[in-house]
Amino acid sequence: GAGVSQSPSNKVTEKGKDVELRCDPISGHTALYWYRQRLGQGLEFLIYFQGNSAPDKSGLPSDRFSAERTGESVSTLTIQRTQQEDSAVYLCASSLGTTTNTGELFFGEGSRLTVL
Amino acid sequence: GNSVTQMEGPVTLSEEAFLTINCTYTATGYPSLFWYVQYPGEGLQLLLKATKADDKGSNKGFEATYRKETTSFHLEKGSVQVSDSAVYFCALRTPGGSYIPTFGRGTSLIVHP
Repeated sequence: GAGVSQSPSNKVTEKGKDVELRCDPISGHTALYWYRQRLGQGLEFLIYFQGNSAPDKSGLPSDRFSAERTGESVSTLTIQRTQQEDSAVYLCASSLGTTTNTGELFFGEGSRLTVL
Repeated sequence: GNSVTQMEGPVTLSEEAFLTINCTYTATGYPSLFWYVQYPGEGLQLLLKATKADDKGSNKGFEATYRKETTSFHLEKGSVQVSDSAVYFCALRTPGGSYIPTFGRGTSLIVHP
């Protein structure tokens, strides 16, 4: 597609359930980033991919969070046994690569997760 | 580590007023600096950027100058419009390593007619 696509746009789940959030980046973008935005907070880095590899997983808040990317394209962020503090907007972004610090990121519209 | 500090919002202005949103940063190395904007119901998009000291980024009437001596990148616009109402994020990327961008908290701007 023309831009970064995320699904679902809105997800309401019960505490303890697992959720999967999907990101479809811009074609040809080798770098992919996941951020979390809690209400009134900034963007919290979670994980990034260069190709299908995730060199830096340091932002994942707990072992309940995992992410994968296949075919240097679609990425899935999985949250197991969701907790109320996981409620946030999860943003995905892609860029041409990570070998420069001057390039911009292209963001999706986000997936809003509400854990009851 | 890297960090970005933005002024608290919301900033509420009347149409045609002058806008300043302050942004200061702490970074290792020599960062590139960015302003992103998020309009209601949309994803973040790049507004402007500057990659070296004294560079001025500009777009859609907005400007920001990279000030290394004060580690700042304040966003300005001479005359805001209702359509500028959005959330503005200051960000940086440092060279080396994984170039992971660091974002500020965002500043909400509300412009009244």
